[in-house]
Amino acid sequence: AQSVTQLDSHVSVSEGTPVLLRCNYSSSYSPSLFWYVQHPNKGLQLLLKYTSAATLVKGINGFEAEFKKSETSFHLTKPSAHMSDAAEYFCVVTDYSGGSNYKLTFGKGTLLTVNP
Amino acid sequence: ETGVTQTPRHLVMGMTNKKSLKCEQHLGHNAMYWYKQSAKKPLELMFVYNFKEQTENNSVPSRFSPECPNSSHLFLHLHTLQPEDSALYLCASSQGQAGSGPNYDEQYFGPGTRLTVT
Repeated sequence: AQSVTQLDSHVSVSEGTPVLLRCNYSSSYSPSLFWYVQHPNKGLQLLLKYTSAATLVKGINGFEAEFKKSETSFHLTKPSAHMSDAAEYFCVVTDYSGGSNYKLTFGKGTLLTVNP
Repeated sequence: ETGVTQTPRHLVMGMTNKKSLKCEQHLGHNAMYWYKQSAKKPLELMFVYNFKEQTENNSVPSRFSPECPNSSHLFLHLHTLQPEDSALYLCASSQGQAGSGPNYDEQYFGPGTRLTVT
């Protein structure tokens, strides 16, 4: 079965330093991949998505992610963290459930803390 | 503003109560979803509706009863819940037909209803 693994449950960075949130997936075909962000007491918001176009995907708020098929990874990065980036981040992959059916599989999430 | 609203934002109910959660999307989407988000667990898809028809029910207990009267509104009726049902319940919508292919349409989420069952 297809799956998604977020390698870190918690990442802590200082404001102004780079952010790296890691995501690995398993899929037997070409997946679509997403990163969502959830701020406290809010719903999930789409940051960016990969759907077999350019492997480097740029999203909102300065985030980007690179699809690496050979490494089955889709890590999320940002050059310089801002206090407002503190939130939980979810990596999501399409999951083939048979026939013509696909559904999203969510990772367990990575909590990003940004220190002043 | 995500275009998806949920009410109430917080709900406390006893195990014998009956209550309903409401979701409304103002985006003209065709598919709507209910998710359960519990602490320390991945997001769990509960139900999917496409053009008002239920297309997925992921083995959700019958004490949760969804209703989709039109493409813009989605309800989750609750009765005789258990304490382990306490969680954040998220509603989402998407433009495309749910489960239509690998280029799965992105979902727009509401802020959620924080449910506590006492």
